[in-house]
Amino acid sequence: DGGITQSPKYLFRKEGQNVTLSCEQNLNHDAMYWYRQDPGQGLRLIYYSQIVNDFQKGDIAEGYSVSREKKESFPLTVTSAQKNPTAFYLCASSVQAGTGSEAFFGQGTRLTVV
Amino acid sequence: AQTVTQSQPEMSVQEAETVTLSCTYDTSESDYYLFWYKQPPSRQMILVIRQEAYKQQNATENRFSVNFQKAAKSFSLKISDSQLGDAAMYFCAYAGLRDDKIIFGKGTRLHILP
Repeated sequence: DGGITQSPKYLFRKEGQNVTLSCEQNLNHDAMYWYRQDPGQGLRLIYYSQIVNDFQKGDIAEGYSVSREKKESFPLTVTSAQKNPTAFYLCASSVQAGTGSEAFFGQGTRLTVV
Repeated sequence: AQTVTQSQPEMSVQEAETVTLSCTYDTSESDYYLFWYKQPPSRQMILVIRQEAYKQQNATENRFSVNFQKAAKSFSLKISDSQLGDAAMYFCAYAGLRDDKIIFGKGTRLHILP
């Protein structure tokens, strides 16, 4: 079955440690996105990628980094520079950015930093 | 920059009744796409309905329909014959053609009263 997979579902880290969230899709989609969801804040865009080896900052990129070395993979690293990393993170993909195609979402990763 | 505003953080509706969720957006583009996504307690994002801005006809999907007012930059979602399974967070989203981002509003939590 085609889809988008985020792992792990729950992640705990100590303050000051970097952590990488995984996002894999087998939909052959060009575009991929990372969003952060906090209560009352909706979905805020962290980074997005239109094609392999290219990505752009979203609205809240500070303290995060990404890579897009393969079409199917778009991992997100939450660095120690992110002041408030505890949140629910959603990864999404779409056929092609800028075409109005539907975004498909993973099931999310809940990151808790203690 | 494009923005999406959902002014109703929470709403309640009696089962079998009709409810309308509001969404306004701001853009300088003439062609774009608008979406309503549903996020149930499982937190899996599901596309409810999609509207292409160049189409004057309002989109419908079974019990879900939109009222798209392009000049007013308004995009409301009407749910008819509300069911218990409709209880969820609903997000309005915007995707431009020139800008590759998908921007979400802060969401409206919908409660269905039995």
